[in-house]
Parts: sequence; C-alpha cells; structure tokens
Amino acid sequence: KQEVTQIPAALSVPEGENLVLNCSFTDSAIYNLQWFRQDPGKGLTSLLLIQSSQREQTSGRLNASLDKSSGRSTLYIAASQPGDSATYLCAVRDLSSGGYQKVTFGTGTKLQVIP
Amino acid sequence: NAGVTQTPKFRVLKTGQSMTLLCAQDMNHEYMYWYRQDPGMGLRLIHYSVGEGTTAKGEVPDGYNVSRLKKQNFLLGLESAAPSQTSVYFCASSRTGGFATEAFFGQGTRLTVV
Repeated sequence: KQEVTQIPAALSVPEGENLVLNCSFTDSAIYNLQWFRQDPGKGLTSLLLIQSSQREQTSGRLNASLDKSSGRSTLYIAASQPGDSATYLCAVRDLSSGGYQKVTFGTGTKLQVIP
Repeated sequence: NAGVTQTPKFRVLKTGQSMTLLCAQDMNHEYMYWYRQDPGMGLRLIHYSVGEGTTAKGEVPDGYNVSRLKKQNFLLGLESAAPSQTSVYFCASSRTGGFATEAFFGQGTRLTVV
C-alpha cells in the first residue's frame, strides 16, 4: 500500500527566505508526483507535476525535484513571500491493487511566511 | 473555464438524514474521484470512477455510494448520515491516465452532521 509522508507538518519562516518542503513515498512504481497548494477553506490548486521519468520541474519561484528510486520529492520555494502562506500537499499517482490508477496524498506541510 | 464544480458548498445534516453531493466536470475527463479531508488524516479516497457507468471502492468507502450515469457527473450519496462523516469532501477528475496526467480538484463541500 502506497504511503506518502510530508515533513515537517508545519513551517514558519521570515519573508525572503528560501525553503524546502519534503515528501516521501513508499512505493517507487509511480506514474507521476504532483504538488498542490491549499488555502484555508479552499480547494487544491495544482502547482507542479513531475512525471516518473523526469528529475525536476520549475514554475516561477517554485522548483520540484523527484528521486523515484529513493522515494523522495522536494519542493523548493525561492524568496518566500507572505502570499506563499498555505498548506502544500504532495500526491503520487500509481496503480491500485484493482489495476486502476489512483492518487495518494500526503498530510501536507502548513507554511507560514512572516512579513 | 468551469473545470470541476461541486454542489453544494456547505451543508448541515441531522444524523440519519440522506443527501447527494454533485460533482460536474467540463473537461471530458474519464477518471473522477471523491475524497474526504479530515484534520491530520490528509485526503483519503472514498470512491472513484474510470469511465461512464463504472465505479470502484477507494480507501474509505463505507457509508457512501456513488454513481456515474453521465461522463461529466459523479454523484456521492450518504444514505444515513453519521457524525463521523463530518468532513470536507473534494471531487477530482483526470484524463484516462498516463505519466503526464494531472488531477484537477473542485472547491470542496463542507459537510457537518449533527
């Protein structure tokens, strides 16, 4: 059974700092890994998707890396801003025991960027 | 671009009442999912569908039923609501699969069972 873990559960940093969020997964036979952002009381917004054959993806100040063999992904946020404050979720897509694709989520890292 | 739309956004039920949550997507996606999100538990898969007329159980299916009569709609039903079903429910959709498949989420339904 795929398990996805995100550490730390919460993180508080001063504005302008670069930071790294971690995600680990137990089964490396994945199709892809997706990072999401969730604001309080809101839905999930997709940030980056890394296919299993890729090592990293970049979008603006965000850079996500994937090391499938070790079951790890990191989300790097450069020059953090108060507007980056949110909960960040990672999710992996793999095959269920029933042969269908499924997405398994981590419990998230709650980020607070202090002005 | 509506994407994934959930109805309703908020609901309060009494124990034993029934209700149906509607998820609609306009992206012609084959796969649709229902998740629940609880504090400290992350998102857990309730049921999913890989195409019109198909449904399958996820991680926490007990107490819920689903139907996918039309490709664009995925309904989640609670036949007899229990306080343990108080949660935020999210619907998601994706294309048939593949390495570049991205999941798109609705805005959530906050359900309270009293």
